[in-house]
Amino acid sequence: EVLLVESGGGLVKPGGSLRLSCAASGFTFNSYGMNWVRQAPGKGLEWISSISSMSNHIYYADSVKGRFTLSRDNAKGSLYLQMNSLRAEDTAVYYCARDFLHSGYYYYFDYWGQGTPVTVSS
Amino acid sequence: DIQMTQSPSSLSASVGDRVTITCRASQSISNYLNWYQQKPGKAPNLLIYAASNLQSGVPSRFSGSGSGTDFTLTISSLQREDFATYYCQQTYSVPRTFGQGTNVEIK
Repeated sequence: EVLLVESGGGLVKPGGSLRLSCAASGFTFNSYGMNWVRQAPGKGLEWISSISSMSNHIYYADSVKGRFTLSRDNAKGSLYLQMNSLRAEDTAVYYCARDFLHSGYYYYFDYWGQGTPVTVSS
Repeated sequence: DIQMTQSPSSLSASVGDRVTITCRASQSISNYLNWYQQKPGKAPNLLIYAASNLQSGVPSRFSGSGSGTDFTLTISSLQREDFATYYCQQTYSVPRTFGQGTNVEIK
């Protein structure tokens, strides 16, 4: 069974830092790209970052570029999101999601974690 | 960046109704379009990928169509468990943008 379990969320002051983790199991982690998607309270989904299976391609949304760093440890089956210079508008539930490539062309997010909440407030 | 616009933002429907949600891309994305369902407090769940392909385990009352810039998600006969928020997402290019969501409520 594929499982993605996020951790590391919590309350942090503006300007502070947090490191989110996503522990993967039930599949060959180093064969899949991974993503972070967030959802602010009462709002829609926002893709924020993705990383390829071997970490050679990493992308960020403009809203987090320069402040967030995505990495992975394939030996540990884990994904990490280092979040620095946090702002109130970063308050959200953060989901990790597996990237599936179908027929060599079509990407979609086929498995999601349960999410970890991040609150940025003084 | 490619903008995804869904309509309507919300709708009220009854069990058994046929429901259609539209998603429009700001530029052509071929058929690189996915649909997700999200229930309150839960993670999103993939329904449709590549515009018209039903994800394994998803009921056949869900269907998707479209190509280029205009796409639709159709629920042929709405069931009680389908009341949720639906999102489209393009994976034609980065950033992999989502639509703003369509909330399907009980009439």
